[in-house]
Amino acid sequence: DQQVKQNSPSLSVQEGRISILNCDYTNSMFDYFLWYKKYPAEGPTFLISISSIKDKNEDGRFTVFLNKSAKHLSLHIVPSQPGDSAVYFCAASTTNAGGTSYGKLTFGQGTILTVHP
Amino acid sequence: DGGITQSPKYLFRKEGQNVTLSCEQNLNHDAMYWYRQDPGQGLRLIYYSQIVNDFQKGDIAEGYSVSREKKESFPLTVTSAQKNPTAFYLCASSIDPGERPQHFGDGTRLSIL
Repeated sequence: DQQVKQNSPSLSVQEGRISILNCDYTNSMFDYFLWYKKYPAEGPTFLISISSIKDKNEDGRFTVFLNKSAKHLSLHIVPSQPGDSAVYFCAASTTNAGGTSYGKLTFGQGTILTVHP
Repeated sequence: DGGITQSPKYLFRKEGQNVTLSCEQNLNHDAMYWYRQDPGQGLRLIYYSQIVNDFQKGDIAEGYSVSREKKESFPLTVTSAQKNPTAFYLCASSIDPGERPQHFGDGTRLSIL
């Protein structure tokens, strides 16, 4: 049972344009969401997060949008740069200490982003 | 510099052998985690520890074992009972179990000879 899904295995974007990476979740107990960036043979690096009390969080070129009713979040990268080429994972967790997902991150399958010069 | 160190970077195992992957952190974090990554799949949680001398099974714990005798160290043993051990293994930590984000090491790639 895949509770967090990234349905696009790959995305190709021209340098300077917007990259939009999508993520869907099914568990309504999830209330905190993160995006990680990963290069081959390295560990994931935290990019940006959002709590369910917000619908948008922005950090420089990166913006995460959350649509709770649709159980959908997206990561926008503007403008995209060749150095952004990597695998992007979304992850979800719960802040409810009594919940079974407390302290655990559930990851999507990842989306390979390629930014062409 | 504080961080998470995983060693070795590459590890080879013969069929039927147990092998232990090392994970050390000097971030003074209470919680530590082991994930496995397979091609085309996200990271899946193997085991996690919220505090010293305590750990819980994650989603795919079968064939693995862990210990948490020291705050800094959370070694993972891949036993011969793990039928498909070839994967990229990632260790992570966080200040406490409810704290995000988790910080990751650079991983160990395990291959079967």
